[in-house]
Amino acid sequence: KQEVTQIPAALSVPEGENLVLNCSFTDSAIYNLQWFRQDPGKGLTSLLLIQSSQREQTSGRLNASLDKSSGRSTLYIAASQPGDSATYLCAVNSSYKLIFGSGTRLLVRP
Amino acid sequence: NAGVTQTPKFRVLKTGQSMTLLCAQDMNHEYMYWYRQDPGMGLRLIHYSVGEGTTAKGEVPDGYNVSRLKKQNFLLGLESAAPSQTSVYFCASSSASGGSYEQYFGPGTRLTVT
Repeated sequence: KQEVTQIPAALSVPEGENLVLNCSFTDSAIYNLQWFRQDPGKGLTSLLLIQSSQREQTSGRLNASLDKSSGRSTLYIAASQPGDSATYLCAVNSSYKLIFGSGTRLLVRP
Repeated sequence: NAGVTQTPKFRVLKTGQSMTLLCAQDMNHEYMYWYRQDPGMGLRLIHYSVGEGTTAKGEVPDGYNVSRLKKQNFLLGLESAAPSQTSVYFCASSSASGGSYEQYFGPGTRLTVT
């Protein structure tokens, strides 16, 4: 059974720091991995999708990497801003179904 | 192009009442999903559909039923609501086109069962 774990559960950093969010999964047989952002009381916004054949994807200040063999993905946020404060969810696509981690709650302090 | 929409946005039910949540997508996607999200947790899959007229159980299907009579719509029903079903419900859709299976989410329905 696929299990997805996100570490840390919460993170507080000063503005301007570069930071890394971690996601690990137990079964390497995946189609892809998605990173989402969720603001309090809101829906999910897709940030990046990495196909199983890819190693990384970039969008602006965000970079996501995927290492299937070790069951790990990281989301790198460069030069963090207070507007980046949100919960970040990692989800693994196995058999076209998403299995979610519990998320990392990020606070970027001005 | 509205993407994925959900109706209603909020609902309060008494224990034992029934209701139906409606999800609609205008992207001609084959796959549709219903998830629930509880405080401090990620999303868990309730039911899903791989095409019109098909449905399948996900991780937490008990107490819910679904129907996919039209390709663009996916209904989630609660026949006899329980307080444990208080949650935020998200609908999503995806397509196998290009092998992406990228899922697109609706804005959610916040349900409280008293």
